[in-house]
Amino acid sequence: GENVEQHPSTLSVQEGDSAVIKCTYSDSASNYFPWYKQELGKRPQLIIDIRSNVGEKKDQRIAVTLNKTAKHFSLHITETQPEDSAVYFCAASIVGNEKLTFGTGTRLTIIP
Amino acid sequence: AAGVIQSPRHLIKEKRETATLKCYPIPRHDTVYWYQQGPGQDPQFLISFYEKMQSDKGSIPDRFSAQQFSDYHSELNMSSLELGDSALYFCASSLRSGANVLTFGAGSRLTVL
Repeated sequence: GENVEQHPSTLSVQEGDSAVIKCTYSDSASNYFPWYKQELGKRPQLIIDIRSNVGEKKDQRIAVTLNKTAKHFSLHITETQPEDSAVYFCAASIVGNEKLTFGTGTRLTIIP
Repeated sequence: AAGVIQSPRHLIKEKRETATLKCYPIPRHDTVYWYQQGPGQDPQFLISFYEKMQSDKGSIPDRFSAQQFSDYHSELNMSSLELGDSALYFCASSLRSGANVLTFGAGSRLTVL
């Protein structure tokens, strides 16, 4: 089955700086890669996703890049703000095969 | 907009008891998923249903069972509860033609004493 690795497990950045979280996946058939943000005790919320037919997607301060050859994808958050502090999970799945396999999460702390 | 509704939000049970969690997916979503998230852990896939039929199975213990009903709501039944079953249980739903975009419910926190 799919295995998703995520790094780093914790990340602290100064407010206004950029944060980068990286994930690798094992199943070359995976073609859908969402990122979820989860605050303590709350539900995971989708913040951005990318499909294998594109290499990069951007939504305001958030961008995701995908390298299918290397089987890795990354989340980039620019101009970080205190409200960006949360746990971020990457995930991978095969469209039509439904279940998401999550990475182990990155606890992002924005230092004011 | 309607979201995924889970109940109860909190549940406290003793070891060896039984618990049932309910999930009401977003209207017109045809797929329901159950995930278990232990403290400090990533969500682990348990089971999913598409159009009321089990469509995939993950690391769900034999003590657990689930089903999806004709109105598309789903229930996760957990028997012979163990301390290690204490976790957040999330239900998510999606529309298959919407290609895997899962929306999660607020979760049910189960505490086993």
